[in-house]
Amino acid sequence: QVRLVESGGGVVQPGRSLRLSCIASGFTFNSYGMHWVRQAPGKGLEWVAAISYDGSDKDYADSVKGRFTISRDNSIYRLSLQMNNLGPEDTAVYYCGKAVYYYDTRQVDYWGQGTLVTVSS
Amino acid sequence: QSALTQPASVSGSPGQSITLSCTGTSNDVGSYDLVSWYQHHPGKAPKLIIYEVSKWPSGVSNRFSGSKSGNTASLTISGLRTEDEADYYCCSYAGSGNQLVFGGGTKVTVL
Repeated sequence: QVRLVESGGGVVQPGRSLRLSCIASGFTFNSYGMHWVRQAPGKGLEWVAAISYDGSDKDYADSVKGRFTISRDNSIYRLSLQMNNLGPEDTAVYYCGKAVYYYDTRQVDYWGQGTLVTVSS
Repeated sequence: QSALTQPASVSGSPGQSITLSCTGTSNDVGSYDLVSWYQHHPGKAPKLIIYEVSKWPSGVSNRFSGSKSGNTASLTISGLRTEDEADYYCCSYAGSGNQLVFGGGTKVTVL
């Protein structure tokens, strides 16, 4: 069955960096687009970034553009999110998600359990 | 990238039916039949319950049904059960590249 396991969260000071990982299993990772979304405390889900199945196409929410970078290593079924210049507004649980269809990114069917990022001095 | 609009809360009694709305624009919900709904219990992974406006993923109860009219999508939960208490999020393809847009979420309470 599809499994997505996020890691890399933790407490980080404002202005610092953090790298999140998502290890996938149970499906052909290199055939599906992937996403990151987040949920700040007491708030709803917010789309963060997406990457095409082969890594050639990437998109970002305006709130993270220029600070976050999404990437993937299809050889080891890993999705990553490099987060730089973090601010308190980035405090959230971050979830990775898998697209519904081959070679597509426009809908997500599975999400991981999430990893908590806390930005605080 | 404006969020889709959902009511903050909806409640109902066991056995009743409730409908959750999700309003977007002609650039997202109105232009694509790519609306999904997720059920989210705190601390757990969001669960897909409807995709492409009205399709059920394998294993999801047909008590959940989806529809769309214009820029507004809807999720109906029939035969409400206590385990349906959760947050529900709509999500649409945003009409550009790989971007998605979510609603603010609706908290469903079973009275």
